[in-house]
Amino acid sequence: GAVVSQHPSRVICKSGTSVKIECRSLDFQATTMFWYRQFPKKSLMLMATSNEGSKATYEQGVEKDKFLINHASLTLSTLTVTSAHPEDSSFYICSARPGTSGGTGELFFGEGSRLTVL
Amino acid sequence: AQSVTQLDSQVPVFEEAPVELRCNYSSSVSVYLFWYVQYPNQGLQLLLKYLSGSTLVKGINGFEAEFNKSQTSFHLRKPSVHISDTAEYFCAVSDPGAGTALIFGKGTTLSVSS
Repeated sequence: GAVVSQHPSRVICKSGTSVKIECRSLDFQATTMFWYRQFPKKSLMLMATSNEGSKATYEQGVEKDKFLINHASLTLSTLTVTSAHPEDSSFYICSARPGTSGGTGELFFGEGSRLTVL
Repeated sequence: AQSVTQLDSQVPVFEEAPVELRCNYSSSVSVYLFWYVQYPNQGLQLLLKYLSGSTLVKGINGFEAEFNKSQTSFHLRKPSVHISDTAEYFCAVSDPGAGTALIFGKGTTLSVSS
């Protein structure tokens, strides 16, 4: 099946620094990738839709200046948490769907990245 | 907008007992429906999906789900659970189309004990 890889899987940073998380589709091209955030014991909240070659589409309430998304190629999207604060600590998960059509509809998920801001 | 309701936040069950995890969705138009499982500190793994066709969908690890359009439900079932099935289970819905995200329910914690 399709594989989506995230890196790093865990990152600890100091408050005020920026952290970049990479999401790669290893064996397929994805014009669209999705970034989710998961709080402890909570569901996945869609943060934004990452579109290759264009600006990301952010969900209501998500600060686009805080969470910078870049989709530079058909296999790579990055999420940068800028000037991170402890409340940004969370589990961030990316996902992608192979193909340019609806296809199987299935989203493939990365392994997730746990961010801890001290 | 689409929404998903998982009616039970926690389901405790004994090993080898049957289990049903309930899921209802909001839209009455064409939808794709999914169940994902998440083990601690890991990403999501697809259990099964409904796109069209037969309303009874069989997935991995012995799970199955039935799509009921009139009741807008997609409940997950397993006739006999194992300790290893202990995990978080998420129901999700999306509109058909490559550019649409999945909308998740709040999850159900399945705890299987011996």
